[in-house]
Amino acid sequence: DAGITQSPRHKVTETGTPVTLRCHQTENHRYMYWYRQDPGHGLRLIHYSYGVKDTDKGEVSDGYSVSRSKTEDFLLTLESATSSQTSVYFCAASLAGGRDTQYFGPGTRLTVL
Amino acid sequence: GESVGLHLPTLSVQEGDNSIINCAYSNSASDYFIWYKQESGKGPQFIIDIRSNMDKRQGQRVTVLLNKTVKHLSLQIAATQPGDSAVYFCAESSRSGGGADGLTFGKGTHLIIQP
Repeated sequence: DAGITQSPRHKVTETGTPVTLRCHQTENHRYMYWYRQDPGHGLRLIHYSYGVKDTDKGEVSDGYSVSRSKTEDFLLTLESATSSQTSVYFCAASLAGGRDTQYFGPGTRLTVL
Repeated sequence: GESVGLHLPTLSVQEGDNSIINCAYSNSASDYFIWYKQESGKGPQFIIDIRSNMDKRQGQRVTVLLNKTVKHLSLQIAATQPGDSAVYFCAESSRSGGGADGLTFGKGTHLIIQP
């Protein structure tokens, strides 16, 4: 795997508050991804990064922003959390982009009340 | 009101039997495929991958078969063990899918091992 850790692992927050999730990898993978996983929807891509300071939107990017100031860290921010953002969030990393294996972190369970 | 739950296809097999999990894809340009295993409360774990220039690839107790004619992918698990209980899903990628975001994930099959 790519030595991926996520923090926090669980978070409960209230509607309207900002939330930041952190992903850290130790294998110097160039590409990093944030997904959300919901019943009936599988894994859906939120944002991805193809290098330091290089990011792009995925399928479900509304309400989310990301930042990558270092190769090893990829942050996902919910500027103003809503109940529809209650989900399990997974970070992934890949050496060579979309046509290469993506290795996943353990996930963060976020509940927005 | 209507309840919404996790309605994944389920495959129930006896411990020791072989399991076959299927995945259909629609993009004829897809040329790279991965199988993932996800245990409850954990992140997806890479099992095996295959590129479109192959029909079959074997790993430890697992085999992936690719039929490009009917756009079908299968994962065979030999001598299924209790630790194989998980949700399995396939992912695909194609050159036309672009760069970093090229993987498309299926919704998964829940494998249950009966003792």
